[in-house]
Amino acid sequence: EDQVTQSPEALRLQEGESSSLNCSYTVSGLRGLFWYRQDPGKGPEFLFTLYSAGEEKEKERLKATLTKKESFLHITAPKPEDSATYLCAVAMNRDDKIIFGKGTRLHILP
Amino acid sequence: EAGVAQSPRYKIIEKRQSVAFWCNPISGHATLYWYQQILGQGPKLLIQFQNNGVVDDSQLPKDRFSAERLKGVDSTLKIQPAKLEDSAVYLCASSLGLLGRQYFGPGTRLTVL
Repeated sequence: EDQVTQSPEALRLQEGESSSLNCSYTVSGLRGLFWYRQDPGKGPEFLFTLYSAGEEKEKERLKATLTKKESFLHITAPKPEDSATYLCAVAMNRDDKIIFGKGTRLHILP
Repeated sequence: EAGVAQSPRYKIIEKRQSVAFWCNPISGHATLYWYQQILGQGPKLLIQFQNNGVVDDSQLPKDRFSAERLKGVDSTLKIQPAKLEDSAVYLCASSLGLLGRQYFGPGTRLTVL
């Protein structure tokens, strides 16, 4: 069964404390893996797309990496404004399907 | 550039009533998606259109949900009749191509009493 699992479900960090969020997937034929950020009461906002193992993308304090079975979203020296839910989504070649994970709720304490 | 527009933003109905949501995607975006997001969960894809045609509706409860995309632009999602478990945020998104980067609207929060 195609599945996308994100961990941890929730994470509280002090400002400046770096950490990583995980997205593991079991799908047949990865077309692309997406990371989105969702603030309360809003729709998800695109962060990154990764297509192949070994690929990395960076944006400000965020860095996304991809292996054959999982992706990591590394957050370096986070600030309170980085608090949000981070969603991972996997697009599959088979049937052009897309599956979202449940997300990681990140809270950065000042 | 105008974003994805959705209306209404909020809707409260009684169970067994009907409701419809409207979405206007970004101009030129061929692919349109409807998602259901229950509190604390990730978005669940209900239906995906490529222009006028349906690409994937495998998770759409077809006995009560229906969706259409007229002329490959605007789309409506309807629930008839609504159940308590339909309470959720309904998100619309669009992308230039199939399964590309998606742009989401603000969502419609539905409460079924």
